[in-house]
Amino acid sequence: ETGVTQSPTHLIKTRGQQVTLRCSSQSGHNTVSWYQQALGQGPQFIFQYYREEENGRGNFPPRFSGLQFPNYSSELNVNALELDDSALYLCASSRTGADTQYFGPGTRLTVL
Amino acid sequence: DQQVKQNSPSLSVQEGRISILNCDYTNSMFDYFLWYKKYPAEGPTFLISISSIKDKNEDGRFTVFLNKSAKHLSLHIVPSQPGDSAVYFCAASSNTGNQFYFGTGTSLTVIP
Repeated sequence: ETGVTQSPTHLIKTRGQQVTLRCSSQSGHNTVSWYQQALGQGPQFIFQYYREEENGRGNFPPRFSGLQFPNYSSELNVNALELDDSALYLCASSRTGADTQYFGPGTRLTVL
Repeated sequence: DQQVKQNSPSLSVQEGRISILNCDYTNSMFDYFLWYKKYPAEGPTFLISISSIKDKNEDGRFTVFLNKSAKHLSLHIVPSQPGDSAVYFCAASSNTGNQFYFGTGTSLTVIP
């Protein structure tokens, strides 16, 4: 059974640029959630996708957007990057929205 | 507003002794709780969960206790091992929601 994978591992961007992060869910899971973890903080919920539809959103601006594909993999897109967007971005998959979530290794984004 | 709180940023324990990590929550609608363990440069790893219909759940060396009236849960690790040294996060959700709310984490160091 393949776990949750994320790419890339690390990314450096400059302010104002756009970035796309990718996630492949664990087999048998149709729900993907994205979290942002700033240094010294716990993960903060960005949004969740269930069967290709957004299924809930946290307190993040619209420049954070996402997609889920028919194979349940997902993308997180962030436009107009700001310095405060520098964080570890975590993807988690689950069988349903309220079920235990299993995390990938994360993508470390640095915005200069 | 932090709905899940871990008030101890760090904890040191001798190998073989008990580690007790605490977590408090404010939202009475939370009914499902999880503990995750995180090593540096890795995503959180699921450890153990408990639903609000129980007050205790055990899995090997790990036991989670839930006190609903106090809105408090704790993770007990017995006996503690050096490999348990990591950051531990508690998380909570409600059956009407689809996101998990995380605490800020407790860094556990098990001293050989």
